[in-house]
Amino acid sequence: AQKITQTQPGMFVQEKEAVTLDCTYDTSDPSYGLFWYKQPSSGEMIFLIYQGSYDQQNATEGRYSLNFQKARKSANLVISASQLGDSAMYFCAAGGDRGSTLGRLYFGRGTQLTVWP
Amino acid sequence: ETGVTQTPRHLVMGMTNKKSLKCEQHLGHNAMYWYKQSAKKPLELMFVYNFKEQTENNSVPSRFSPECPNSSHLFLHLHTLQPEDSALYLCASSQRGAGETQYFGPGTRLLVL
Repeated sequence: AQKITQTQPGMFVQEKEAVTLDCTYDTSDPSYGLFWYKQPSSGEMIFLIYQGSYDQQNATEGRYSLNFQKARKSANLVISASQLGDSAMYFCAAGGDRGSTLGRLYFGRGTQLTVWP
Repeated sequence: ETGVTQTPRHLVMGMTNKKSLKCEQHLGHNAMYWYKQSAKKPLELMFVYNFKEQTENNSVPSRFSPECPNSSHLFLHLHTLQPEDSALYLCASSQRGAGETQYFGPGTRLLVL
């Protein structure tokens, strides 16, 4: 099993600024994947970014980047140039690495991000 | 239609009713999942289907009955629910063995009176 900890229940950021959402994980699996999802008030969970435990470089997807520090077991999400539409709940999750067949994700409790003008 | 769709989006039911939630994925995936999201609780995995076969039942009460007739469709049949079953029910799909990223539907908001 894997345990995901998101210590920030809520975060506030001004529009156009960068923000970091924290995530730490605890796993004994030698190979794993880390995921971030966004959940607006409408309810849909939107996949944002993936990081494999053996990936040498931090993952980036547009304004999203994942600050992966394997030794510290942290996988923080960095959102650059925040937009009002970024206001949502953000979930960190861990699961099997790509190519695995573990088939389940473990989610943290989420961080509510509010972007203000 | 693209992605993962769920119907209905909202549902209100009494404790004696029987209803079904439907999920359909248009991504060609071979695994499907049901999750429950309650207020103040982490996302809870309920069921996992892999190539139409149930591979995980996460100690879900029998008043929730899943059905997966094929790799594209997943149902959750509900009967004699309790008020504490009120939650957002999310369906997801993924391609097993080729990446574990799960793609979610918009969810069904269920209220049990």
